[in-house]
Amino acid sequence: GAGVSQSPRYKVAKRGQDVALRCDPISGHVSLFWYQQALGQGPEFLTYFQNEAQLDKSGLPSDRFFAERPEGSVSTLKIQRTQQEDSAVYLCASLVSAEGNQPQHFGDGTRLSIL
Amino acid sequence: DQQVKQNSPSLSVQEGRISILNCDYTNSMFDYFLWYKKYPAEGPTFLISISSIKDKNEDGRFTVFLNKSAKHLSLHIVPSQPGDSAVYFCAASAAYKYIFGTGTRLKVLA
Repeated sequence: GAGVSQSPRYKVAKRGQDVALRCDPISGHVSLFWYQQALGQGPEFLTYFQNEAQLDKSGLPSDRFFAERPEGSVSTLKIQRTQQEDSAVYLCASLVSAEGNQPQHFGDGTRLSIL
Repeated sequence: DQQVKQNSPSLSVQEGRISILNCDYTNSMFDYFLWYKKYPAEGPTFLISISSIKDKNEDGRFTVFLNKSAKHLSLHIVPSQPGDSAVYFCAASAAYKYIFGTGTRLKVLA
C-alpha cells in the first residue's frame, strides 16, 4: 500500500497476556518510530529505528516493552505481561530518510485495551 | 515537564472566519515545527511545517507563524470550513526526536 499500515486495528487482551503489534512502513522508508497515545494526550515517543538498528529506546515505559525491525522494513512492538495502564493507541510513523526536518507519515494506529 | 504545550483544549469558530491555534515550546534546540490534523480513529495527517530559520510558511488556507524569541508558534486557517473540524497537534523536533503537544479540538460551526 501507499501509506503506513498497522495491524491489528483493535486488540483486546486480558491483563498478563503478551501482545504483538505490527507496523508496515512506507516502502523504502529508512526511519521508523513507535508512539503511545493515551486518551486526551498527544503521541509520546517510544522508540526509533534507522533501518534495522534501534537507535533510541528511551521512551519505552518498562522492560516489558520490546520493539524490533529485523530486516529494516516491518516492525513489531511487543508488550509482555500486559497491565491496564498499557491501554492506549499505539502509533507507528515512518520517514523517507534518516535526516530530520521532514514530516512523519503515520499509520492509523492499534487501539489496545487491557481488561 | 512538557516541552510542547497547547493550552487550549478546544476551540469553536464560525464557518468562514479565521481559526487560530496556538502552541508554546520550551526547548531552544528545536529547529523544525509541524502541525498535524487528526480525525477520530485515524492517524495524524501532516498539515504544514516550518523551519526555525523562517518565521512564516503558507500553504493555501493554512499559515504557520513562528516566534522564536517567544518560543511560540501558531496555525491560522482562513477561511475555516466544517471539514476542518478535527484535533490539531503541534510538534517540535530536534534531530530525529519529535515532541507533540496535547492537541486542540477545533469545531467549525456551519
